Amino acid sequence: GAVVSQHPSWVICKSGTSVKIECRSLDFQATTMFWYRQFPKQSLMLMATSNEGSKATYEQGVEKDKFLINHASLTLSTLTVTSAHPEDSSFYICSARDGGRGTRTDTQYFGPGTRLTVL
Amino acid sequence: KQEVTQIPAALSVPEGENLVLNCSFTDSAIYNLQWFRQDPGKGLTSLLLIQSSQREQTSGRLNASLDKSSGRSTLYIAASQPGDSATYLCAAQTSGSRLTFGEGTQLTVNP
Repeated sequence: GAVVSQHPSWVICKSGTSVKIECRSLDFQATTMFWYRQFPKQSLMLMATSNEGSKATYEQGVEKDKFLINHASLTLSTLTVTSAHPEDSSFYICSARDGGRGTRTDTQYFGPGTRLTVL
Repeated sequence: KQEVTQIPAALSVPEGENLVLNCSFTDSAIYNLQWFRQDPGKGLTSLLLIQSSQREQTSGRLNASLDKSSGRSTLYIAASQPGDSATYLCAAQTSGSRLTFGEGTQLTVNP
């Protein structure tokens, strides 16, 4: 089955630093990737949608200059949290849509998540 | 704007009991409705996906139904086991592959 990985699985950083999270589709080409944020005991909130080779589309209320998304290849998207602050501490989950021919293009495959803690 | 609600927020049952989790959505123009399982501190595991043209899907002890016109879906778990303890999330997919998640039902199955 389709597998999506995230790296790192957890990260602790100091306030003011930047953190990069990688999302990779391991056995399929992901034309579209999605980034979600999940606060404790809350549901997943979509942050942005990224299409390979184009700029990401951010949801209302998400600062695009703070959460930089790059989707430079069909198997990799990165989320960089710039100048992180304690309120950015959260669980970040990516998903990828399989754009391969003959597959269900409406299926998203989720990564295992990255726990970010900003001190 | 699509809104997804799940009831109950938490549920605790004895092992062996059959149970139903409820999900409702406000915009019936969905492509599909999905149910996921999330263990504490982990990502999502896809359980069942019901296309908008379908009424139900089954996988093992799980059965999910969809009533698009009323904006409702249910997840039925038969003969619950302690290993079923997790948070169950439903998500409605609309245009552009956008998924809107409910806040989940935290299930505890007691041995």
